[in-house]
This record gives sequence, structure tokens and C-alpha cells, in this order.
Amino acid sequence: DGGITQSPKYLFRKEGQNVTLSCEQNLNHDAMYWYRQDPGQGLRLIYYSQIVNDFQKGDIAEGYSVSREKKESFPLTVTSAQKNPTAFYLCATGAYGANVLTFGAGSRLTVL
Amino acid sequence: DQQVKQNSPSLSVQEGRISILNCDYTNSMFDYFLWYKKYPAEGPTFLISISSIKDKNEDGRFTVFLNKSAKHLSLHIVPSQPGDSAVYFCASNTGNQFYFGTGTSLTVIP
Repeated sequence: DGGITQSPKYLFRKEGQNVTLSCEQNLNHDAMYWYRQDPGQGLRLIYYSQIVNDFQKGDIAEGYSVSREKKESFPLTVTSAQKNPTAFYLCATGAYGANVLTFGAGSRLTVL
Repeated sequence: DQQVKQNSPSLSVQEGRISILNCDYTNSMFDYFLWYKKYPAEGPTFLISISSIKDKNEDGRFTVFLNKSAKHLSLHIVPSQPGDSAVYFCASNTGNQFYFGTGTSLTVIP
């Protein structure tokens, strides 16, 4: 069954703690993306990666970090430097040259 | 700077009637446009798309219209059903960069 798996679905974090959100795909897509959704603000791009060992900052990369050590995985770390981390985080993938993104089910991060 | 805009945060429609969701864009380099549907606490799912060389694309109850001169696209849902109640995002891309609107929350009233 091809798809994108995001984990955990829900995560609670204390202020000052780093947390890593997992995104795994078996679609063999080259490009992977992390978006953040806040009410009334749509989807905002955090980071994206087009190939292994390479990634680019999106519009709101401050306070976040990523790695792309293998094609299937693109974990996102929300660091303590991110001032407003409570949000719904979405991972997406895209095949090379394709015009459509496929999204995972999302991870809800709440900072207590 | 928002390159894709959805100016209506919400829309309510009676079941069986037409739903029209609107989207405007600013970048004339966009060559492909998409609509996604999203339920709460789930990821968006692809609904329908249109290439800039077309002005209409239809898939069942869903039709997307593109007016390039006005930099405007719209999604028509006919007839609307209660299961269509969701947030709809329009999006566009240049290469591997995708840009999303802020979404319109559609409520279909039974």
C-alpha cells in the first residue's frame, strides 16, 4: 500500500524542548515537503527537499530543521527557537516533474 | 506576499445547489492549478486540476474554470452534498514550488 506515514499523530511538548516529527513515504517520490497549517493562514512551507542530502528553506524555516539522509524519510525537528510551535504539521511528496502533491495525514503538535 | 488568494473564508450552500469557490493568483508564471479538499485533522486530498492551456476541466460533479486574463479560477460543485463539507484549498506551482491559498470552509446544509 503506497503512501505517506506521519508520526506521531498527536504530540505534546513542554516549552524549551525539541521535538522531531517523522515522515516516511514509499511512493518513490523524489521531492518531499513540510508545511504548517494555522487557522486562517492556509498552508505555509517550512522546508522542502528535491533529492537526498539536499534541502531548501521555505517561507517560515526559522526554528525548524530537517534532514534527508534517505529518499524515503524527511524528518522535521521543531526546536525551542520556534516561538509559536503549536500547529498542525503536514508532510507531502511529489514525483519528479509532477504537478500534484500527495499529503500525509498530519501531526498535531501542542506546546504546553 | 500571498501569491494565491482565497478571499472567502467560508461558504454555506443548501444541499443540491451549486457551490462556487473562488481563487485569485498574482504570478503569471503559474502554469498549473489545483484544488485540494481537507477534513479536520486530516491531510489535504487532491481533488481536481487544470493546466494553464485550458479554461475548463470537469470531473464528475466538480468543474474548475480558469480565466488567465483575470488571474482567477473557480471550483464549481454541482450538486452539492453534505459530504462535500470541508475546507478547500486552491494551489499552484512553478516547478517544485507549490503555493496555497488560505482555504475556504464549505458547509453544505442538508
